Amino acid sequence: GQQLNQSPQSMFIQEGEDVSMNCTSSSIFNTWLWYKQDPGEGPVLLIALYKAGELTSNGRLTAQFGITRKDSFLNISASIPSDVGIYFCAGQLRSGGGADGLTFGKGTHLIIQP
Amino acid sequence: EAGVAQSPRYKIIEKRQSVAFWCNPISGHATLYWYQQILGQGPKLLIQFQNNGVVDDSQLPKDRFSAERLKGVDSTLKIQPAKLEDSAVYLCASSYKGWSGYGYTFGSGTRLTVV
Repeated sequence: GQQLNQSPQSMFIQEGEDVSMNCTSSSIFNTWLWYKQDPGEGPVLLIALYKAGELTSNGRLTAQFGITRKDSFLNISASIPSDVGIYFCAGQLRSGGGADGLTFGKGTHLIIQP
Repeated sequence: EAGVAQSPRYKIIEKRQSVAFWCNPISGHATLYWYQQILGQGPKLLIQFQNNGVVDDSQLPKDRFSAERLKGVDSTLKIQPAKLEDSAVYLCASSYKGWSGYGYTFGSGTRLTVV
């Protein structure tokens, strides 16, 4: 099955820095999602995007749905220690109505140095 | 609201043995999914149920994996016989039929180690 191309694979940053990660696909998605996964837990949804060009914020997080429908990015501003974890992008071919399975990227491992 | 419940949390078996995982979705969620997450990878969809019917099982290795959701509520995923490459975390997720991203919830998973 398809997987999304997510980059970077890992990031080592200082507390307080801004973070940017992105995801690309060879095919179109109708919905883009960003999840965070802590060790031993399932993914937790951070932001959902439903329309091409959409820019959505959730606190210090901002994500955008690319115009081509084949990419998305996630920014985290002023990182704090609890932002440590693995961030996944996920695409879905249909939005609303039928609730399809998700196609995930390989994840970006965020490590914050105090 | 209670989350998606999964059990057991951990399981260690020898290759060629069988194993079963259980999932209880959020009350009222008609759609249930099983994902496989191999270490260092994102989750991969194995099977999707709508109530008690299978919607998508195109990525389920049907020669050894099976899943059922008999009463449209909880579900079991079985592997028989297990191979070393089945070592992974098995995640269950559920959502409302008329899905919005914020209704799609994952459980904590079952970590399977095949030795």
